[in-house]
Amino acid sequence: DVKVTQSSRYLVKRTGEKVFLECVQDMDHENMFWYRQDPGLGLRLIYFSYDVKMKEKGDIPEGYSVSREKKERFSLILESTSTNQTSMYLCASTPATSGRIGQYFGPGTRLTVT
Amino acid sequence: QKEVEQNSGPLSVPEGAIASLNCTYSDRGSQSFFWYRQYSGKSPELIMSIYSNGDKEDGRFTAQLNKASQYVSLLIRDSQPSDSATYLCAVVEYNQGGKLIFGQGTELSVKP
Repeated sequence: DVKVTQSSRYLVKRTGEKVFLECVQDMDHENMFWYRQDPGLGLRLIYFSYDVKMKEKGDIPEGYSVSREKKERFSLILESTSTNQTSMYLCASTPATSGRIGQYFGPGTRLTVT
Repeated sequence: QKEVEQNSGPLSVPEGAIASLNCTYSDRGSQSFFWYRQYSGKSPELIMSIYSNGDKEDGRFTAQLNKASQYVSLLIRDSQPSDSATYLCAVVEYNQGGKLIFGQGTELSVKP
């Protein structure tokens, strides 16, 4: 079974703090994705990566950056958090030939910024 | 703007009935389609995939695809209270290496 893990299930941070969310997958998948999910807005893609050291902006990259130094690990960085970044953050991965496999999600991190 | 549309619900069905969830998509180039189940407070779980026109069955679940009408559906037979969740339709964005476009999800409630 594919396993995608995320570093924290719940986080509470103060406005202006730096947050580092880590995602690790154990299936040698090339493609990795970061989403946020908010009530009424659905899943929104923040950043994705097709390979080590590669990154592409998604639909809402502002206020976020990412790092992919190793194939299995994709990190989302919030340099200076704001209250509007309170959300559920979800990581997903899929193989490069994934047109027919779909994405596998980690358990999510619920971030609250106060 | 490529879109995936779902009725938000909630869709309420009695236990044992068939639940029918529908999805339309705008990108005619899309080739692969997925259904995810998401329980409250949890992450989405992939439950069905379909690529060819027609039906695909897996246990109590049947996915249906009609590319000409740009329509995907999920039928859940013998619905159980444990099927109560939000169901997300997702479509692979053509030529974008596995990038998915998600619908907003349909909330299903199965009443005992």
